[in-house]
Amino acid sequence: DGGITQSPKYLFRKEGQNVTLSCEQNLNHDAMYWYRQDPGQGLRLIYYSQIVNDFQKGDIAEGYSVSREKKESFPLTVTSAQKNPTAFYLCASSRGSLDTIYFGEGSWLTVV
Amino acid sequence: AQRVTQPEKLLSVFKGAPVELKCNYSYSGSPELFWYVQYSRQRLQLLLRHISRESIKGFTADLNKGETSFHLKKPFAQEEDSAMYYCALSGGNYGQNFVFGPGTRLSVLP
Repeated sequence: DGGITQSPKYLFRKEGQNVTLSCEQNLNHDAMYWYRQDPGQGLRLIYYSQIVNDFQKGDIAEGYSVSREKKESFPLTVTSAQKNPTAFYLCASSRGSLDTIYFGEGSWLTVV
Repeated sequence: AQRVTQPEKLLSVFKGAPVELKCNYSYSGSPELFWYVQYSRQRLQLLLRHISRESIKGFTADLNKGETSFHLKKPFAQEEDSAMYYCALSGGNYGQNFVFGPGTRLSVLP
């Protein structure tokens, strides 16, 4: 079932390298989000975007960057400034505020 | 600030037993409450939201504004209900006010 596609599913990187996670949606949703999921901590919002060319920091934006050049795409870059980058990253989208958020399958990033 | 708490990290019940996953929230306005579920090797997906008042897979959840709770209930648990359950709150602003609880892992034993 399409909807939201994240790639790659698994990614290994050396410490100090930047890495970009891809997120594409074909739901025609205006809003897109990036969450980080850590055991016992639930989901924490990294960045969100309400419309093209606009995005806002979430609760844990430090060490991350995003862009929203197209409605269907919202890539996340994990920079070397992120102190604990190893995590499970979830991309999501919604039609608008108060609407259901739909999630991708996630990307596992391991930094060694 | 808005916050969602789920006091149980792990809940184990036997098949056929009733199950209740607890969720409490703090929010100054009128929130939208959701339950999301993540089955093994599947993506996180919406289970139900309080505004729709639906019963999905036998689960129901009632919003109690007085107790600021949105507990998820099912009268007879099934083994396929074993999953990770997240309670979530939306205050209306995109993402910024969409807060998830830490999650409860439900294990239904045969």
